[in-house]
Amino acid sequence: GENVEQHPSTLSVQEGDSAVIKCTYSDSASNYFPWYKQELGKRPQLIIDIRSNVGEKKDQRIAVTLNKTAKHFSLHITETQPEDSAVYFCAASPSGAGSYQLTFGKGTKLSVIP
Amino acid sequence: NAGVTQTPKFQVLKTGQSMTLQCAQDMNHNSMYWYRQDPGMGLRLIYYSASEGTTDKGEVPNGYNVSRLNKREFSLRLESAAPSQTSVYFCASSVTGTGNQPQHFGDGTRLSIL
Repeated sequence: GENVEQHPSTLSVQEGDSAVIKCTYSDSASNYFPWYKQELGKRPQLIIDIRSNVGEKKDQRIAVTLNKTAKHFSLHITETQPEDSAVYFCAASPSGAGSYQLTFGKGTKLSVIP
Repeated sequence: NAGVTQTPKFQVLKTGQSMTLQCAQDMNHNSMYWYRQDPGMGLRLIYYSASEGTTDKGEVPNGYNVSRLNKREFSLRLESAAPSQTSVYFCASSVTGTGNQPQHFGDGTRLSIL
């Protein structure tokens, strides 16, 4: 089955700096890669996702890049703010009928220091 | 629009007791999922239901059963609770289960087994 590795497990940045979280996956059939943000005691919420026919996707201060050859994808947050502090999870899933399993990384705890 | 609703929010059980966690979604989604979240382990899939009338095992199904009661509702049952099942349980749903659709999560059930 799919295996998703996520690094680093913790990350501290100064407010206004950029943060980068990296994930690798093992199954070359995976072609859907969502990122979730989970604030303390809350539900995971989708913040951005990318499909394998796209190399990069941006939404305001967040962006995701995908390298299918190397089987890794990254989350980039620019101009970080204290409200970006949370645990971030990457995930991977194969597409197509019958491909229901979303495999998550173990999470990165991001702390933005004011 | 409530999205995905889970009940109860908190529960304490004694070893050997049984319990059913309830989940309902009002987004007319076809696919529903149960995850458990343990510290440092990310989210792990217990069971999923691709569509009404079908259920399948995920990564960690042992000790659990599920029922897809109708299109809206998907319940998770612990027949004989064990301390190892202490966790936060999240229900999620997606439009379809083809692997490239965002999953929307409920607020979770925090379950402690003494």
